[in-house]
Amino acid sequence: KNEVEQSPQNLTAQEGEFITINCSYSVGISALHWLQQHPGGGIVSLFMLSSGKKKHGRLIATINIQEKHSSLHITASHPRDSAVYICAVRSGSGAGSYQLTFGKGTKLSVIP
Amino acid sequence: DSGVTQTPKHLITATGQRVTLRCSPRSGDLSVYWYQQSLDQGLQFLIQYYNGEERAKGNILERFSAQQFPDLHSELNLSSLELGDSALYFCASSVGSPSGRAYGQFFGPGTRLTVL
Repeated sequence: KNEVEQSPQNLTAQEGEFITINCSYSVGISALHWLQQHPGGGIVSLFMLSSGKKKHGRLIATINIQEKHSSLHITASHPRDSAVYICAVRSGSGAGSYQLTFGKGTKLSVIP
Repeated sequence: DSGVTQTPKHLITATGQRVTLRCSPRSGDLSVYWYQQSLDQGLQFLIQYYNGEERAKGNILERFSAQQFPDLHSELNLSSLELGDSALYFCASSVGSPSGRAYGQFFGPGTRLTVL
């Protein structure tokens, strides 16, 4: 079973700061997801990646397959970025193997 | 709005009862996933369906069952409910493929189940 570790567990930042959230996993994967969960509970899928780097607006996600590590960066953070960020990994690539294992999440608070 | 709908939003019931949670995927999506989020366990994958067939099973209890219907909506049935089943239940959908290629998932708003 894949173990997914996220750090930090909690993060408080000043508006405008550059933020990094880390995710490490123990077993080889076929895809990694970054999710955002707002205080109301809704979950939004931010990125799905299997190699390299993806960028969307102020968000950047990178993955290093050899080191079994991914990072989520937020540039010019804003209070509306306050949420829980969750890393999830998919092990296996066959038709029946779309199981996701989730990290415990990083709670981000951005202060004006 | 992700395009995935779930009903009901909230459900309060008693131990020993049975409930059904419903999910309608985004138009065109063939894969449906069910997840449970509890305070102590975090998010856990329960089960996946692709075009009506079960594709992957996670930490789903024997008291729980699911199915995907020909119109692609899915239902999660929870029976003999216990206090520990209180959680947020999310449904997600994706395009999916027979080969299992990974696609992004779109999450519904969730159903909050409270078992008293």
